[in-house]
Amino acid sequence: ILNVEQSPQSLHVQEGDSTNFTCSFPSSNFYALHWYRWETAKSPEALFVMTLNGDEKKKGRISATLNTKEGYSYLYIKGSQPEDSATYLCAFAPFGNEKLTFGTGTRLTIIP
Amino acid sequence: NAGVTQTPKFRVLKTGQSMTLLCAQDMNHEYMYWYRQDPGMGLRLIHYSVGEGTTAKGEVPDGYNVSRLKKQNFLLGLESAAPSQTSVYFCASSYPRQRANYGYTFGSGTRLTVV
Repeated sequence: ILNVEQSPQSLHVQEGDSTNFTCSFPSSNFYALHWYRWETAKSPEALFVMTLNGDEKKKGRISATLNTKEGYSYLYIKGSQPEDSATYLCAFAPFGNEKLTFGTGTRLTIIP
Repeated sequence: NAGVTQTPKFRVLKTGQSMTLLCAQDMNHEYMYWYRQDPGMGLRLIHYSVGEGTTAKGEVPDGYNVSRLKKQNFLLGLESAAPSQTSVYFCASSYPRQRANYGYTFGSGTRLTVV
């Protein structure tokens, strides 16, 4: 069983502040790292799929970086807004395996 | 464009009863997956399929069966439900990883309670 860890488990951030959280995954046999946003009572929605070491992806105020050699990815949110409140999941895909292993998520709450 | 549709959305079963959860996708995705979500745990893969007529076991397959008779449908069956199968079940679909730049598309979930 692959170990995908996310920290912190939960986070409260004042509206307008920036924040970031971490996903750790095995550094060997890497194929891809996914990030999803999961709002309460909805289904997870894909944010990024990252495959290259050093890659950085951006969607609006949200960005992610990837370090495959040390096995971590950061997700950054700039200028948090109430609509950013959600659980953020990362998932690791090893080479030669079609299955994603998900972390347990970081629950982000934006305080107005 | 409906994406991934799961039916039913809610169900209560008695121990020992059987049921089938249906997942349908209209995006022509080759791959489909069934996950379960339990408190404090990440999404765990039950079974998956890489194409019509194929299925494979995931991380927690015991007590479940699946079928993929048509490309757009992926069925999850519980032959004899147990309280340990109380969970929220999510279906997802995707292109093969070589073209999976957009990640998985998830359904809205089925909340199943076994009493």
